[in-house]
Amino acid sequence: DIQLTQSPSFLSASVGDRVTITCRASQGISSYLAWYQQKPGKAPKLLIYAASTLQSGVPSRFSGSGSGTEFTLTISSLQPEDFATYYCQQHNTYPITFGQGTRLEIK
Amino acid sequence: EVQLLESGGSLVQPGGSLRLSCAASGFTFSNYAMNWVRQAPGKGLEWVSVISDNSVYIYYADSVKGRFTISRDNSKTTLYLQMNSLRDEDTAIYYCARAAPDTRILDSWGQGTLVSVSS
Repeated sequence: DIQLTQSPSFLSASVGDRVTITCRASQGISSYLAWYQQKPGKAPKLLIYAASTLQSGVPSRFSGSGSGTEFTLTISSLQPEDFATYYCQQHNTYPITFGQGTRLEIK
Repeated sequence: EVQLLESGGSLVQPGGSLRLSCAASGFTFSNYAMNWVRQAPGKGLEWVSVISDNSVYIYYADSVKGRFTISRDNSKTTLYLQMNSLRDEDTAIYYCARAAPDTRILDSWGQGTLVSVSS
């Protein structure tokens, strides 16, 4: 199975900050990586797929990059509604696997 | 609008069984692969199973293989998860999630149903 490791696991930041979350895969997955946002008590929401393609309706302050084994999610200017937990997911092969999550909190 | 509505979660004893359902609407259900993903309390996401649009291919996570069975009824636009031999570690919110066509990208999710396994 492909293991995904996110860093950091916890991030404290302020409104307006630029933040970056990293996801590393245990083997190459080309660009088959997605990012999800989950708020407390809610289902995950797809933000980005194929490493860098923004899902329809997602604000342009979110961006993704990377290929192979290293990927990043960047939020260019944090908004209050962005404080949530973020997960990466490889969509290269079954079993689908997720990173352990990065909790983004208000400083 | 895509809607996925899970039901069937409840408190069950270890070794017991439960069947979850996910009623789909707002899209052509028979054209999409469907997944179950779970989340233990305070933990991350764990993929459980997938069934293709026509039920030809089915995959399971090792943690549930041999105990859980995924199925679907395209005439009823409903996805199912039969859960047998339940264990404490199966306690979680269970989400159904649609896969974008010909991908493993989970583009729509239900609100989840809670399964608690405890004596």
